[in-house]
Amino acid sequence: AQSVAQPEDQVNVAEGNPLTVKCTYSVSGNPYLFWYVQYPNRGLQFLLKYITGDNLVKGSYGFEAEFNKSQTSFHLKKPSALVSDSALYFCAVRDLSGGYNKLIFGAGTRLAVHP
Amino acid sequence: EPEVTQTPSHQVTQMGQEVILRCVPISNHLYFYWYRQILGQKVEFLVSFYNNEISEKSEIFDDQFSVERPDGSNFTLKIRSTKLEDSAMYFCASSEGVLAASSDTQYFGPGTRLTVL
Repeated sequence: AQSVAQPEDQVNVAEGNPLTVKCTYSVSGNPYLFWYVQYPNRGLQFLLKYITGDNLVKGSYGFEAEFNKSQTSFHLKKPSALVSDSALYFCAVRDLSGGYNKLIFGAGTRLAVHP
Repeated sequence: EPEVTQTPSHQVTQMGQEVILRCVPISNHLYFYWYRQILGQKVEFLVSFYNNEISEKSEIFDDQFSVERPDGSNFTLKIRSTKLEDSAMYFCASSEGVLAASSDTQYFGPGTRLTVL
């Protein structure tokens, strides 16, 4: 079965420092991986996705993610964190087992960027 | 930029009552979804809908749940007889679905917080 794990409940970073939010996955076949961000009282906003091609994927708001097949990871990164990046981040994988539709989400990682 | 919209933002209901949650997907999208997030838990898939029929549903999506696209713009989730454990944030999403649906991006609405008393 497809699954995704986010090993950290919370990540604390000082503003201006690089940030990493970790995600590992378990899939059969090629993984289709996504990152979403949830701000308070808002829906899930799409950040970026990996389907195929370059292992480094660039997305919205200066975020990028590195796909690593050997480590089955898809960590979210940003070179310089902003206080406004503080939010809940979800990694997700497309479940191809029962169809091509549903996303399976990780538990989420709360990112806190301190001034 | 086109967005998925949902109404109401918050719905409070009594146990056993029927509720209808409404969504307006992005206009040229062909796939529609409902997910839910119980407080403090993961976002969970409920159902996907394509070409006026359910294409996939989860174990959660039992006979108490139904979905409908009553017109060209709305997509609804109905819970016939709500239970306390149905209290959650319900998210609607849509994706283009033109080519390879597996690589499509799903765009989410802001959610409806359902509280069952």
